[in-house]
Amino acid sequence: GIQVEQSPPDLILQEGANSTLRCNFSDSVNNLQWFHQNPWGQLINLFYIPSGTKQNGRLSATTVATERYSLLYISSSQTTDSGVYFCAVRGAGGTSYGKLTFGQGTILTVHP
Amino acid sequence: SQTIHQWPATLVQPVGSPLSLECTVEGTSNPNLYWYRQAAGRGLQLLFYSVGIGQISSEVPQNLSASRPQDRQFILSSKKLLLSDSGFYLCARGGAYEQYFGPGTRLTVT
Repeated sequence: GIQVEQSPPDLILQEGANSTLRCNFSDSVNNLQWFHQNPWGQLINLFYIPSGTKQNGRLSATTVATERYSLLYISSSQTTDSGVYFCAVRGAGGTSYGKLTFGQGTILTVHP
Repeated sequence: SQTIHQWPATLVQPVGSPLSLECTVEGTSNPNLYWYRQAAGRGLQLLFYSVGIGQISSEVPQNLSASRPQDRQFILSSKKLLLSDSGFYLCARGGAYEQYFGPGTRLTVT
């Protein structure tokens, strides 16, 4: 099956700093999502971005499907950005029924 | 709105006891539904998915089973829990493009 690798595994920032999270995947995809898991465990949808670039406030994401990677940018980080960020993909081949394969996540800690 | 409910929110069960976790979805018909498990706070593993009533596919062999008795209801069960069944269980529904997740059930097997 498709493999998803996220880097870095852990990231510690001071409030106000910028950061880039990376997601590499091993095969063609027709769905790529970025999630933020808050301290209560809720997975919050950040972006649906199988290709191209999107921005939402201080967050933006870019997926280069031909090179099989996606980047999540966080600018002017805040303590509320802390949590785990997941990349999840759905392979383009075969009958996947929408199943997502998750990376192991990046744990982000933002200090005041 | 298309809301996902999960019940209960937390659960502590002894080894060998049965399990039933419930997921219900509002505001959509015939959704694809999924059960994921997250262990040790990292990475989600797909356990089961369903494309319709009574249609269940299992992704990994394990001590758990799933059922979909109604269009918007997805149930995760076990006859006898193992310590290794502890974890955070998340139900999701598939939208036209994205998946959306419920609030999860935190299960501790003692």
